[in-house]
Amino acid sequence: GAGVSQTPSNKVTEKGKYVELRCDPISGHTALYWYRQSLGQGPEFLIYFQGTGAADDSGLPNDRFFAVRPEGSVSTLKIQRTERGDSAVYLCASSSRQGDTDTQYFGPGTRLTVL
Amino acid sequence: DAKTTQPTSMDCAEGRAANLPCNHSTISGNEYVYWYRQIHSQGPQYIIHGLKNNETNEMASLIITEDRKSSTLILPHATLRDTAVYYCIVIAGGTSYGKLTFGQGTILTVHP
Repeated sequence: GAGVSQTPSNKVTEKGKYVELRCDPISGHTALYWYRQSLGQGPEFLIYFQGTGAADDSGLPNDRFFAVRPEGSVSTLKIQRTERGDSAVYLCASSSRQGDTDTQYFGPGTRLTVL
Repeated sequence: DAKTTQPTSMDCAEGRAANLPCNHSTISGNEYVYWYRQIHSQGPQYIIHGLKNNETNEMASLIITEDRKSSTLILPHATLRDTAVYYCIVIAGGTSYGKLTFGQGTILTVHP
């Protein structure tokens, strides 16, 4: 079946602009995660949704970052007043429960470049 | 979740088995060992996971020591396309959700 998809694949914006990054999870997956990966580093957790609600947003770096999942499927990560330090690959993953664990499946990521 | 330690880099000849070690000496009884890999410019790819028994799927085998303090991911016949960063991650099962904490991983280079 179809995997996790993310759009756009690349986004170039100017400092101070607003951006939205979209994630389409695997159909039927109730959990959705956002991660951010800077060059040369492993992905870092940002936020986790169970259904429509953000169950844990402890990884969001500041209040310029916000994410929604209004119908429990597609999610949008929103970044206000972008800064050059926000440049990174933003990864989305979704998962479903399999017995005692849930396995996350990642999308290809959105590469954000803030000039 | 328990911390993991992996070698920074490893080399492997094409067609040979690649054995990637991971130490997780503080692992708890309900924590699983997960392996992901990330090929350049792609999202992380799930490989395999296990609790205490050895596991095998179409991609790899996972060998977990009896004391569960370390494990080895085995790619039985490495190909050039297996060149990637391999991440070993320990995560609790049960009602805990699957927030993944990635370390630096092991850069595996498969050469002809």
